[in-house]
Amino acid sequence: EAGVVQSPRYKIIEKKQPVAFWCNPISGHNTLYWYLQNLGQGPELLIRYENEEAVDDSQLPKDRFSAERLKGVDSTLKIQPAELGDSAVYLCASSLDGRQETQYFGPGTRLLVL
Amino acid sequence: KNEVEQSPQNLTAQEGEFITINCSYSVGISALHWLQQHPGGGIVSLFMLSSGKKKHGRLIATINIQEKHSSLHITASHPRDSAVYICAVSKGGNTDKLIFGTGTRLQVFP
Repeated sequence: EAGVVQSPRYKIIEKKQPVAFWCNPISGHNTLYWYLQNLGQGPELLIRYENEEAVDDSQLPKDRFSAERLKGVDSTLKIQPAELGDSAVYLCASSLDGRQETQYFGPGTRLLVL
Repeated sequence: KNEVEQSPQNLTAQEGEFITINCSYSVGISALHWLQQHPGGGIVSLFMLSSGKKKHGRLIATINIQEKHSSLHITASHPRDSAVYICAVSKGGNTDKLIFGTGTRLQVFP
């Protein structure tokens, strides 16, 4: 069975440019998470979806970040415009449902903003 | 103060050594997770436990709920065990939102 798929794996952009990341969770997983991980730190939750509903986006910087999961399957995370401090690894994870299930992580997208 | 603290931050070992990584937390939890992250970003879930002890191959995870402490042990360590090991806790309720520690970077030398 395929794991969580993310693309691109790496992205280099100039500041003020837009960028988008894509995630396809494990088939049948209703809950999808986007995390941000800075170097040497643990992941920090940006947003959590239950199916197509964003149930926790309290840590998402809504002035420049947006996310969607229109059909409750794959999801995109967008930054517009990107800032230097956005350089990090963006991780997507999924779980069967939102209640104490193991989360399965994708390989992440490493973003470098110049 | 972080709600989840790990120690040590960095750990080096010779192949074959017994390794212990510690995790302490300051909040009420419903479950504790140990995760492994190899260079390049991929995170793999190793254990999810809420009491007692779990074993998988050379890996053993224990948790003491009263002391709010968990340990991850690796027996007969191998260079392929080199990775960052992350402790995370679920605070419970109807969500599995995880709070992560900063990780322990392990290097095992042959």
